[in-house]
Parts: sequence; C-alpha cells; structure tokens
Amino acid sequence: DSGVTQTPKHLITATGQRVTLRCSPRSGDLSVYWYQQSLDQGLQFLIQYYNGEERAKGNILERFSAQQFPDLHSELNLSSLELGDSALYFCASSVIYENSPLHFGNGTRLTVT
Amino acid sequence: DQQVKQNSPSLSVQEGRISILNCDYTNSMFDYFLWYKKYPAEGPTFLISISSIKDKNEDGRFTVFLNKSAKHLSLHIVPSQPGDSAVYFCAASAQGGADGLTFGKGTHLIIQP
Repeated sequence: DSGVTQTPKHLITATGQRVTLRCSPRSGDLSVYWYQQSLDQGLQFLIQYYNGEERAKGNILERFSAQQFPDLHSELNLSSLELGDSALYFCASSVIYENSPLHFGNGTRLTVT
Repeated sequence: DQQVKQNSPSLSVQEGRISILNCDYTNSMFDYFLWYKKYPAEGPTFLISISSIKDKNEDGRFTVFLNKSAKHLSLHIVPSQPGDSAVYFCAASAQGGADGLTFGKGTHLIIQP
C-alpha cells in the first residue's frame, strides 16, 4: 500500500460530460502529480502541484484542469469528454519535488462511451 | 519523440536466474533515473533510483547500472523470483523533476518456474 488514495476506482461516462477524479497524497507529502496511461502508451505526465501551487505542466489538454487544496488533496477535472480520454489516470505524491521517488495510487479507470 | 525507450516489450527468465531489463534515453539533461514495478490493477511501485553522479546503486536483489556516455541504464534482478513477474517501467527526470518524470512504455517480465 503506497498510502496514496484515489477515488473512484472506476468511472463510466458519456462523451461531452465532465468528471472529477480525487487524490489524497501520502501523509506528509507536499507534491502531487497526475499521470495518464492510455492503451499501449506509457505514463504521460499531466500536471504537478506543490503545497497548493501549480509547479509544472506536461501534456495536459485545455479541457482538463486540476487543483490542490489546503489539506493537500488534489482533484483532476476532465470536461467535454471524448472517447480518446478513456484511460487510466494515476495520482502520485512525493515529499519534495526535487529528485524524490513518486509514490503512486492505484489509479482511476475512466471509460468514455 | 520518445525520450525514454524500453525496446523489449517482454522478457522471459527462468526462476533463480538473472533478469536484465534495459532502458535508453535521449535527453542529456536527465539526471535522475528510477525503476518502477507494476502489477495489474495496481499503481506503479517504486523500486530503485540512481543519480547521474553515480554509475551503480544496489538494494537487495536489485541493482541499477547507469552508463551516461551511452545514455543507457539497466536493472538487474538476482536471483529472479516468481513474484518479480510484472511490468517494469524506467523513468527519468531533469532539473530536479521540474517537469515530472518521463516514463518508458514498460517491459513485461515473466519469471518461469
């Protein structure tokens, strides 16, 4: 158990809809990262927050947004969903953002129909 | 452009023998490298890391070797055990992880009895 909690585990929704994925980092970790894993693809970095502030952006679409709250949990919002957004979405956390291993949750599997 | 490449999608090794997983990278700015293991329906689990100032790091049965001139790293598992059967991801970061981790697409290691 990595200590990172993601909810829900599975999500099925229709195209055009909006969903929110939630992540609680390990106790004491200030950095939260979001990754997307599509079929046959590696893990693609989306966005990172450190202590409530956006720290780095990767290949995140404009239809996607995220935030980290004062209690350090994070939410990833996906809107105007398309079939191609179907993927596994992983949250990870680390103590600090410099050269620290990331600890991953078990992911949320999003299916867009 | 894939900056971290794992050219073997799968690898089969007999129990008790050495497993060697390989990874190549193209970004010379990468200075921190990690290996993760992933079981189905779980998130990636951190295994071992190495900084670019070292060429070897060992932790129990796991050893990571880094060859900076060749932009190549490898993970050795000795001896291989049935529980080692999983997908192994190589990852790298630059600038203290400012842009998150860049992952390879993974190698599926199968340990045969």
